[in-house]
Amino acid sequence: AQSVTQLGSHVSVSEGALVLLRCNYSSSVPPYLFWYVQYPNQGLQLLLKYTSAATLVKGINGFEAEFKKSETSFHLTKPSAHMSDAAEYFCAVSDSSGTYKYIFGTGTRLKVLA
Amino acid sequence: GAVVSQHPSWVICKSGTSVKIECRSLDFQATTMFWYRQFPKQSLMLMATSNEGSKATYEQGVEKDKFLINHASLTLSTLTVTSAHPEDSSFYICSASLNLEDEQYFGPGTRLTVT
Repeated sequence: AQSVTQLGSHVSVSEGALVLLRCNYSSSVPPYLFWYVQYPNQGLQLLLKYTSAATLVKGINGFEAEFKKSETSFHLTKPSAHMSDAAEYFCAVSDSSGTYKYIFGTGTRLKVLA
Repeated sequence: GAVVSQHPSWVICKSGTSVKIECRSLDFQATTMFWYRQFPKQSLMLMATSNEGSKATYEQGVEKDKFLINHASLTLSTLTVTSAHPEDSSFYICSASLNLEDEQYFGPGTRLTVT
């Protein structure tokens, strides 16, 4: 069975500081991995996805994530936080063969301090 | 491209009544649609997977007679919450994909409040 663990339900960073949101996954088959952002009372917006191509994935709004198989991790980073980055972030895993269901992590709320 | 809409965006209904939520893929044909439920400050939980023209597959613990899902066309899936109760109040999000193995595109969600 697949699972996703997001370490840190709340993360605070200063504006201009590095953003690091952690995601570890468990999967018995090569996974597809996703990061989504959710603003209050809105749906999910895809930031980036890993589907077995390049291990360093660049997404929208300056975010990127690196797939590390040895560490079963897919951490999300952004060099410099903006106030507009304050939101809820979800990591999700989908198996690349079989059900293709998305399993979501519990989410990390990012707060950006002025 | 790949836009998914939901209607309504929010709805308030009285306990015991039924409410229908629509999910539409606006610019592509979605063979597969998914319905998720999200409680406040929690993650998304998959409720069911629906394929066009066939019965939905419900996740364990989801009452199929309470949450009726219909996927009658390649652009529309509906979720009907029957005999709604206050505990059904939640944020319901749908997603759609070209095929089961393709990327899911998410709708903006529907906030249901049962009074």
